[in-house]
Amino acid sequence: EIVLTQSPGTLSLSPGDRATLSCRASQRVSSNYLAWYQQKPGQTPRLLIYAASSRATGIPDRFSGSESGTDFNLTISRLEPEDFAVYYCQQYGRSPQFSFGPGTKVDIK
Amino acid sequence: EVQLVQSGPEVKKPGESLKISCKASGYNFNTYWIGWVRQMPGKGLEWMGFIYPADSETKYNPSFQGQVTISADKSITTAYLQWTSLKASDTAIYYCARVTPHRAFDNWGQGTLLTVSS
Repeated sequence: EIVLTQSPGTLSLSPGDRATLSCRASQRVSSNYLAWYQQKPGQTPRLLIYAASSRATGIPDRFSGSESGTDFNLTISRLEPEDFAVYYCQQYGRSPQFSFGPGTKVDIK
Repeated sequence: EVQLVQSGPEVKKPGESLKISCKASGYNFNTYWIGWVRQMPGKGLEWMGFIYPADSETKYNPSFQGQVTISADKSITTAYLQWTSLKASDTAIYYCARVTPHRAFDNWGQGTLLTVSS
């Protein structure tokens, strides 16, 4: 079973700051099958990044994804007020075929 | 435009049965998996299972195997999630979502809030 660990649990930053969120897999995850989502309170999750580094349709270029071995990062280059939310990584692989990380909350410092 | 429209909120008693729906439009329903995701109050996202509508192949997260049933009706481009005997611990928001070839969930239903309480 592949377990995703996200760090930090909470990131307290100011608008304009750079945010780097980490997602570590317990086993190798294909970069083709690693995604990131944003969820705001009371809203549906929104796909940001798929295949580790490809932006989904309509996602601003301040969001970027990268990979280093079993570690994946989501970077928000300059935080906008609307970016304060919870971010989840998700992988597809062996059983269970899909799994999500526990989430990183980005809140206003 | 791709749309997934889920059925409305439900309030049920423990032991009751339930089937919620997810109506898809704006794309070829047969060619994408549809997944179901649970979000318990104040918690994260949990993948429950998916269905491939073209042949109704289903896969479940072992944590949900035997607890729920996923099905689909191609003729009306609708996927379903059902329970035969609800528990209070089933209280959650349930989302359906389309799965892309890169195995990401790109379009989500609005969620169905299920409350199970005696």
